[in-house]
Amino acid sequence: GAGVSQSPRYKVAKRGQDVALRCDPISGHVSLFWYQQALGQGPEFLTYFQNEAQLDKSGLPSDRFFAERPEGSVSTLKIQRTQQEDSAVYLCASALAGGSYNEQFFGPGTRLTVL
Amino acid sequence: AQTVTQSQPEMSVQEAETVTLSCTYDTSENNYYLFWYKQPPSRQMILVIRQEAYKQQNATENRFSVNFQKAAKSFSLKISDSQLGDTAMYFCAFTTHNNNDMRFGAGTRLTVKP
Repeated sequence: GAGVSQSPRYKVAKRGQDVALRCDPISGHVSLFWYQQALGQGPEFLTYFQNEAQLDKSGLPSDRFFAERPEGSVSTLKIQRTQQEDSAVYLCASALAGGSYNEQFFGPGTRLTVL
Repeated sequence: AQTVTQSQPEMSVQEAETVTLSCTYDTSENNYYLFWYKQPPSRQMILVIRQEAYKQQNATENRFSVNFQKAAKSFSLKISDSQLGDTAMYFCAFTTHNNNDMRFGAGTRLTVKP
């Protein structure tokens, strides 16, 4: 497909489990962003990659959150020892060029529920 | 701190009519970018319109236009000839040339009624 894809679409985890969320950006897009969207809220920035370099991780809420994009394409957001407050939709977005001011193309998100 | 405020949690409009969604923001930057994103019930966010702060002319995209008031830090979205497919959450967003993070408002849920 031509758009941003994310998997899984839904994930249920027991408190304390580790989870890994995958994002496949649009081919050739330099920038990749992760956002966390709580129910009824707007997305909140987590981290930003330009190619394989993680240039900004200021939005990651704790050291339990880790993201990588080793080859500058697919990215994985990992959450260790999940907590109930981690329950949210995790959105991935990519952009053709560097910088958040370019049009971002969003994936459908992964809805994470922590029991 | 840069913040984005959408004061209308929900709005409704009759099909074919016009509706305006409000957005205000706070920043000390002079050069920045503003966006309206649409999030239909399927959840995939789509860019509706983009405005660069240094451009005085208001952006338009077909039935969508903005009223950008830089001094008032206001960025409202006008949807003309509303269609049922316009039903969605609408998010106002802000970023600068030097920032990597985009700040979103809490959103306005728009319902277009037949």
